[in-house]
Amino acid sequence: GAVVSQHPSRVICKSGTSVKIECRSLDFQATTMFWYRQFPKQSLMLMATSNEGSKATYEQGVEKDKFLINHASLTLSTLTVTSAHPEDSSFYICSASVWPRNTEAFFGQGTRLTVV
Amino acid sequence: AQKVTQAQTEISVVEKEDVTLDCVYETRDTTYYLFWYKQPPSGELVFLIRRNSFDEQNEISGRYSWNFQKSTSSFNFTITASQVVDSAVYFCALSEVGDAGANNLFFGTGTRLTVIP
Repeated sequence: GAVVSQHPSRVICKSGTSVKIECRSLDFQATTMFWYRQFPKQSLMLMATSNEGSKATYEQGVEKDKFLINHASLTLSTLTVTSAHPEDSSFYICSASVWPRNTEAFFGQGTRLTVV
Repeated sequence: AQKVTQAQTEISVVEKEDVTLDCVYETRDTTYYLFWYKQPPSGELVFLIRRNSFDEQNEISGRYSWNFQKSTSSFNFTITASQVVDSAVYFCALSEVGDAGANNLFFGTGTRLTVIP
């Protein structure tokens, strides 16, 4: 099956700093990547959808200036949490899909972000 | 609007017991996909199954089986002879197929399964 690699798996950062999370499709070209956030003991909530070469589409309530998403190539999407605060501490996970098999979603391993 | 409901928040069973995790979904689309994922404590999502809306055939994979009933909009998951390693959070998810292809997954709230040795 397709492999999606997410890095880093864990990160601790100071409040006010920015953190970049990478999501790579290793053996396929991902036309679409999704970013989800999961708070402790809660479900996964979609934050944004990114298509290669175009601006990301953010879900309602997600600040696009705070969560910068770049999908510059068909194998890489990045999520940058800018000016992170403790309330941004969460588990972030990406998924990727590829046309025409884009009914399948391949997930990365997730990134646990802790803002202190 | 789409919605996935997993009414069971937590379930505990004794090892070797069978357990069924319920999933009820809502969608206006006629073409959609249903998924089950397992999330162990490490956090990664482990894909278990994908089923499209036109295939109501039940599926069995080892100790796992799935019962898809369009009439009741349910996609239940049964683990037979449960094992301690089955302890995890299980998510049911729905994906609708839009004009541009599949969309994102809508997840249920998850069911935390604890298998007691």
